[in-house]
Amino acid sequence: EADIYQTPRYLVIGTGKKITLECSQTMGHDKMYWYQQDPGMELHLIHYSYGVNSTEKGDLSSESTVSRIRTEHFPLTLESARPSHTSQYLCASSEVVTGGIQYFGAGTRLSVL
Amino acid sequence: SQELEQSPQSLIVQEGKNLTINCTSSKTLYGLYWYKQKYGEGLIFLMMLQKGGEEKSHEKITAKLDEKKQQSSLHITASQPSHAGIYLCGADGGYGNKLVFGAGTILRVKS
Repeated sequence: EADIYQTPRYLVIGTGKKITLECSQTMGHDKMYWYQQDPGMELHLIHYSYGVNSTEKGDLSSESTVSRIRTEHFPLTLESARPSHTSQYLCASSEVVTGGIQYFGAGTRLSVL
Repeated sequence: SQELEQSPQSLIVQEGKNLTINCTSSKTLYGLYWYKQKYGEGLIFLMMLQKGGEEKSHEKITAKLDEKKQQSSLHITASQPSHAGIYLCGADGGYGNKLVFGAGTILRVKS
């Protein structure tokens, strides 16, 4: 069973607010990822990190930013939320770079009004 | 860029029936991952395949990767209501474990 936690599970917020989605893992994995998933749609990678102080943008352009100050923590921030940011955000981690199983958190469902 | 096509998009089966979900890649697969997702939740890892011709089984679920490493299938034997959910295949294109996912197959099992 994967030990990766996301908070909050659900968030409803007004336009223009700053939000941070939390993701923590207790497995000591160096690699962490953020995916965005719209209802009925594919998952798309928006950010990834191969270790502390390492962050890269994924395949899908996103207005969100991430930081990796500690191995176990990989928060995602939206400075000014908009309705177009409404989606499910999934965090994952893996032990190795290639061929490693990614373990997912339960996700955060964000609704921006 | 790599693309994964899953078929069928959705499937309704009677409890006890067998079923197969397919995943076809536009490029050679370095690793193929099968996940299950319940609506609105995270992904649960099922199986990983890396070698051409590889086959793995867990309980009533069997996954195969073809010899050319461009197509995988997931087979469920004697389906149960607990098998219902969304099945996604994910591919490692060899670029640092950044997975690309298929659109998913929605499975409903009627009891």
